Amino acid sequence: EVQLLESGGGLVQPGGSLRLSCAASGFTFSSYAMSWVRQAPGKGLEWVSTISDSGGNTYYADSVKGRFSISRDNSKNTLYLQMNSLRVEDTAVYYCAKGGGRPDYWGQGTLVTVSS
Amino acid sequence: DIVMTQTPLSSPVTLGQPASISCRSSQSLVHSDGNTYLSWLQQRPGQPPRLLIYKISNRFSGVPDRFSGSGAGTDFTLKISRVEAEDVGVYYCMQSTQFPHTFGQGTKLEIK
Repeated sequence: EVQLLESGGGLVQPGGSLRLSCAASGFTFSSYAMSWVRQAPGKGLEWVSTISDSGGNTYYADSVKGRFSISRDNSKNTLYLQMNSLRVEDTAVYYCAKGGGRPDYWGQGTLVTVSS
Repeated sequence: DIVMTQTPLSSPVTLGQPASISCRSSQSLVHSDGNTYLSWLQQRPGQPPRLLIYKISNRFSGVPDRFSGSGAGTDFTLKISRVEAEDVGVYYCMQSTQFPHTFGQGTKLEIK
């Protein structure tokens, strides 16, 4: 059974940093691209970032480019999202999803709140 | 960026009746590899999104056959043949043909 478990969310002040993690199990992690998607309170889905299976290629939404960094550790079956220079508008539930072109499994999400 | 536009944004439906959601993209979603990376996702209240349909018309594992997808190029449709109570939620189309990947605004399906 595929499982994705996000962690690392919380309350942070504007300008602060957080690192999200997504622990994967139930599939060959190193064979799949992985993505982060977020959802602001009461709003729709917004794609944030995707990383290739090897980690050699990364892609970002313009809204986070230069501030967020996606990475993975295939030996630990874990996906990361390093978030720096956080803004109030980054407040959202962050989901990790298996796949890039076909996001077929999603975690339960972790809430990031950016507020002073 | 490719803009995804869904209609309607809200759809009250009677149980047992069909429902249809349209999704239009601002440019063709045909990838250079010949595939069209258009997916449909369902988000039930308080739940994460769930993949229903990928590459226009392929039902994902475990998805009931009352869900079907169709379309080509820039116009796509999700159909539910007979709405059940568990289908309540928000439905999103998503394109992953080109970065940045983009979603439609979401269509809220509710029971009349």
